[in-house]
Order: sequence, then structure tokens, then C-alpha cells
Amino acid sequence: GENVEQHPSTLSVQEGDSAVIKCTYSDSASNYFPWYKQELGKRPQLIIDIRSNVGEKKDQRIAVTLNKTAKHFSLHITETQPEDSAVYFCAASKIDKLSFGAGTTVTVRA
Amino acid sequence: EAQVTQNPRYLITVTGKKLTVTCSQNMNHEYMSWYRQDPGLGLRQIYYSMNVEVTDKGDVPEGYKVSRKEKRNFPLILESPSPNQTSLYFCASSFGQGAREPQHFGDGTRLSIL
Repeated sequence: GENVEQHPSTLSVQEGDSAVIKCTYSDSASNYFPWYKQELGKRPQLIIDIRSNVGEKKDQRIAVTLNKTAKHFSLHITETQPEDSAVYFCAASKIDKLSFGAGTTVTVRA
Repeated sequence: EAQVTQNPRYLITVTGKKLTVTCSQNMNHEYMSWYRQDPGLGLRQIYYSMNVEVTDKGDVPEGYKVSRKEKRNFPLILESPSPNQTSLYFCASSFGQGAREPQHFGDGTRLSIL
């Protein structure tokens, strides 16, 4: 099955700095790569996603890049704010199954 | 309001006592799935359903059952719960191409098996 590895497990950044989270996947058939944000005690919510026919996607301060050859994808958050503090999960899927990374706890220091 | 509703939100029970966690969505989504979340392990898929009467195992199906008799409902059944099933459980649904679409999660069910 698919194996998604996510690094780092924790990340502390100064407000205004950038945060980068990296994920690798094992199954070359995976073609959809979403990122979810989970605030404390809440449900995971999609923040951005990318499909295998696209190399980069941006939405305001958030961007995701995908390298299919190397089987890795990354989340970039620029100009971090206190409300960006949360757990972030990457995931990879084919048609039927969705596999998540172990998560990254991001703390934005004021 | 479009939503995925799970019940109960919290449950403390004992080993071996059968329990069902219900999941219902009002968005007419074809795809539904169950995940468990454990510290350091992320979300792991238990079972999924591409549509009515179609279910399949995820990565950690042992000890769980599901059914999909109606499009909107996807209950998770623990026939003989054990302490290692103590976890936070999420139901999710999506439209169209199954796991290749944004997942809408419920609020979660925290199960404690003593």
C-alpha cells in the first residue's frame, strides 16, 4: 500500500517567517495530494490540494509543489501568523484510498 | 447546512461490549470513509465506500465492520471492542472521484475502551 512520510514532526517559526513541510510517497500511481489543517480539538480541514498534472499551486500565503519524479511534495506557508498554529497533514491518494502522513505541529511564535 | 454528523461525540465503554458509531452526510456524496487518529500516527483509513453497497478495507480494518445500505449513512461497528481501539475517530465524505476529491470531515468521536 501507499506509505506517506512527513517531516518535520514539529516546527516552530517566528511570526512573519516562512514554514515548509515536506512529504514523500511510495506509490507512483498516486495522483492527488491534499493538505489538511487541524486546529486543536477540531476536525481536519482542507487548505490546498494539487493533482499530478500540476507542478505548483498557490493560494494567497499557501503554496504546494509536487515533484512526481522524486515522489515528494511540499507545503509552503509565507508570512506566518499566530492563526497558522495547528497540525498539518499531507496525504496521497489514488481513486479509492487516501493515506496520510503522521502530521506536523506548527507553532508560530509572536 | 452541508455537514457530516457523527454520533456519539464521546463514549466510554468496556471491553467486549458491541458499539456502533453513526455517520450521516447531507451532501449526496458517493464516497465515505472512516479514519482513526492516534498521536504520532496521523489519520489511518479503516474502511471506505465508493457508493451504496460497495465497501472495502483501508489500512487498519481489523476489529471493525461497516455497512452502506443508504447513500447518506455509513456506520462503524465494533463488535467486540478492545482497549487498543481507544482512539479519535473521524468520518468523512466526498463528491465524485472518491479519495481524489476534498474530504469533508465530521467533528470526530472519541472512544475510550476500558
